[in-house]
Amino acid sequence: NAGVTQTPKFQVLKTGQSMTLQCAQDMNHEYMSWYRQDPGMGLRLIHYSVGAGITDQGEVPNGYNVSRSTTEDFPLRLLSAAPSQTSVYFCASTDSLSTDTQYFGPGTRLTVL
Amino acid sequence: DAKTTQPTSMDCAEGRAANLPCNHSTISGNEYVYWYRQIHSQGPQYIIHGLKNNETNEMASLIITEDRKSSTLILPHATLRDTAVYYCIVKQMGIKAAGNKLTFGGGTRVLVKP
Repeated sequence: NAGVTQTPKFQVLKTGQSMTLQCAQDMNHEYMSWYRQDPGMGLRLIHYSVGAGITDQGEVPNGYNVSRSTTEDFPLRLLSAAPSQTSVYFCASTDSLSTDTQYFGPGTRLTVL
Repeated sequence: DAKTTQPTSMDCAEGRAANLPCNHSTISGNEYVYWYRQIHSQGPQYIIHGLKNNETNEMASLIITEDRKSSTLILPHATLRDTAVYYCIVKQMGIKAAGNKLTFGGGTRVLVKP
């Protein structure tokens, strides 16, 4: 198993540009989520999904969209990037059938100029 | 979700046990205690979790007090690779539960020294 994969690892955007952060998991987990982590801070939940076709907002959803068309993929879209969105983004999937353990991807480091 | 309180930082000598405390005095009966850690620049990594009994796995031991208001994560023989930020999180278990999301606080920054 590859676990949770994220692409790209690094990205630089200009203010106003849009982009999609990719996240995929091969563990057949229903629950997936996106977090952001600002320097020196803990993780904050952006959006999550409890299964294909179902998404919901977390603590800091503004400026981000998500969709979940398949169990495996959970992309995060930035519609119009702002400097305040400079952060490290982590995707996670949850083994909700047993231990509720969350498995995190390696992260995408995003800088918005 | 119940709130947790952890020390901001602690040092530990390599090869010695590291004991990381966590207070969760408002924990409810159906909330579990989870521990994760984050090594610099990596995604968080699950360590262990428990409800009321002490738990042990290949990474660590979790000791939960009888009243469940606090817990201690024990790394039995700390190595330099255990240097990380350790997060104590309380949450309900189950995808349908409203409290299923992980709420990360500040954690404890553990530095293992040679």
